[in-house]
Amino acid sequence: DSGVTQTPKHLITATGQRVTLRCSPRSGDLSVYWYQQSLDQGLQFLIQYYNGEERAKGNILERFSAQQFPDLHSELNLSSLELGDSALYFCASSPRDRSNTEAFFGQGTRLTVV
Amino acid sequence: DAKTTQPNSMESNEEEPVHLPCNHSTISGTDYIHWYRQLPSQGPEYVIHGLTSNVNNRMASLAIAEDRKSSTLILHRATLRDAAVYYCILKIYLRNSGNTPLVFGKGTRLSVIA
Repeated sequence: DSGVTQTPKHLITATGQRVTLRCSPRSGDLSVYWYQQSLDQGLQFLIQYYNGEERAKGNILERFSAQQFPDLHSELNLSSLELGDSALYFCASSPRDRSNTEAFFGQGTRLTVV
Repeated sequence: DAKTTQPNSMESNEEEPVHLPCNHSTISGTDYIHWYRQLPSQGPEYVIHGLTSNVNNRMASLAIAEDRKSSTLILHRATLRDAAVYYCILKIYLRNSGNTPLVFGKGTRLSVIA
């Protein structure tokens, strides 16, 4: 158990809908990262938050947004969903934003868009 | 972007040592070398990281070449549970924007034969 909790574990929704994925980082971890993993694209970095502020942005679509709340949990919002958004979404956390710090990943949310 | 190159796949017999190579010829002096692995149906898991010196922990050893252009992850006795995709990643510090998040490549798929 990494200490990172993601909910829900599975989500099935229709095209055009909007969903929210939730991540609770390890206690005290200030950095939260979101990743998308699909069969053909591998693990893609989406976005990072550090202590409530956006720190880095990767291949995140404009239909997707995220935020980190004062209690450090984070939410990833996916809107106008398309079939191609079906994937595993992972959240990770780390204590600090340094090169010598490891990240801890949750078990992921499997999103299926039908 | 400092990138890494790994073999697509490797095979090992159970209870034998495994040496997983990684080339990172464009590494800079402050870049840390991180290794993560992803077991089937799970989130990535931290394995080990290092900067210049060889590193050991309970999971594995990391051997870093003197010129730092390559490294090797060593699993001392492979078990069936070690079958996973292993990712070698450079954690980079950029002067203007700080530390980069983990950027995953395709990794090496390790199969362990009983």
